[in-house]
Amino acid sequence: AQRVTQPEKLLSVFKGAPVELKCNYSYSGSPELFWYVQYSRQRLQLLLRHISRESIKGFTADLNKGETSFHLKKPFAQEEDSAMYYCALRLYGQNFVFGPGTRLSVLP
Amino acid sequence: GAVVSQHPSRVICKSGTSVKIECRSLDFQATTMFWYRQFPKKSLMLMATSNEGSKATYEQGVEKDKFLINHASLTLSTLTVTSAHPEDSSFYICSAATLGGGEPEQFFGPGTRLTVL
Repeated sequence: AQRVTQPEKLLSVFKGAPVELKCNYSYSGSPELFWYVQYSRQRLQLLLRHISRESIKGFTADLNKGETSFHLKKPFAQEEDSAMYYCALRLYGQNFVFGPGTRLSVLP
Repeated sequence: GAVVSQHPSRVICKSGTSVKIECRSLDFQATTMFWYRQFPKKSLMLMATSNEGSKATYEQGVEKDKFLINHASLTLSTLTVTSAHPEDSSFYICSAATLGGGEPEQFFGPGTRLTVL
């Protein structure tokens, strides 16, 4: 069955430190992975998708099919990066499976 | 980007009453809308997928008679929690998917916090 896991519920790093939010998936089809972010008191919004291979707000994520992972990385974390991050797998059409989320806290 | 609104943003009701939550796509047409439920400190749980003009598809374990979904137009979907009970208290979020080709993307509403007394 399709599944998305994010092993860390909470991740705390100091400002300027590198950050990596882990995401692993299980899916028999061709995976399409996304990262969504939810800042405090704001709605969930798309951060980036693996197809675009883009860097948004300094974040990048590479799909590793061998390890079935899609970890989110940023070399130098900023305080404004503090938020809830969800990894999501697109099944078909617009149906997504979301991971449990990781709360990133960037300390001053 | 596309905007999705929800109304009301917060509602408190007595046990046994019904509550209707509206989800609107403000500047685009959405053939598909999704309803999620988010428990405290937990992820979003997909409840149902709503396609305009047809019956909603419910996820396993979601009672279709309790959570009535209507998708009457390309810009409006409603979720009605019937005979609400305290265990239905939660944060309900809708999302709308854009029409046409290109990269698939969902746009999320701000959510509705339901508290059943």
